[in-house]
Amino acid sequence: GDSVTQMEGPVTLSEEAFLTINCTYTATGYPSLFWYVQYPGEGLQLLLKATKADDKGSNKGFEATYRKETTSFHLEKGSVQVSDSAVYFCALSGETSYDKVIFGPGTSLSVIP
Amino acid sequence: DTAVSQTPKYLVTQMGNDKSIKCEQNLGHDTMYWYKQDSKKFLKIMFSYNNKELIINETVPNRFSPKSPDKAHLNLHINSLELGDSAVYFCASSLIKNSPLHFGNGTRLTVT
Repeated sequence: GDSVTQMEGPVTLSEEAFLTINCTYTATGYPSLFWYVQYPGEGLQLLLKATKADDKGSNKGFEATYRKETTSFHLEKGSVQVSDSAVYFCALSGETSYDKVIFGPGTSLSVIP
Repeated sequence: DTAVSQTPKYLVTQMGNDKSIKCEQNLGHDTMYWYKQDSKKFLKIMFSYNNKELIINETVPNRFSPKSPDKAHLNLHINSLELGDSAVYFCASSLIKNSPLHFGNGTRLTVT
């Protein structure tokens, strides 16, 4: 079945550091890919998405590129802020998984001043 | 003007009790979901309804019963609560297949 793997956390960075959170997936066909963010005590929010190969999703300084050849969708940000501290989830919605979004295990990020 | 709202936010109860969680969305979406998030933040889908019809029913004990009176509401009733049911339960909605999910803020259920 479809699945998503993410780098394990927690990740701790200093403010203004470069962030990469790795995400790889297994799915048949051409899934849509997402990054969601969960701030403490809140529900998940969509951060960005990509629906086909080589698409780049971007939002709030975060970027991720849909790489079909490596089945990856790594999240990057050039300069993190304390307010970026949260849990980040990579997710996919596959062609064969009707209305079912599959989430990775989440990566906790802490940014220290 | 909250998009997806859940009640209650916290629920503390004893083993063996029956409880319900309510969810409402005002986004006009056709599909609604229940997800369970465990203590390690892992998210697992439980149920999905499309226009009041059950379309996803994962391997969930039959003590859990979803009910959708209309496409804007999806409630979750849990019978005979067990310690292992302690988790955060999230309601979500989406417009169509493969469109992004909109989540509520969760209901933290603690079974003692």
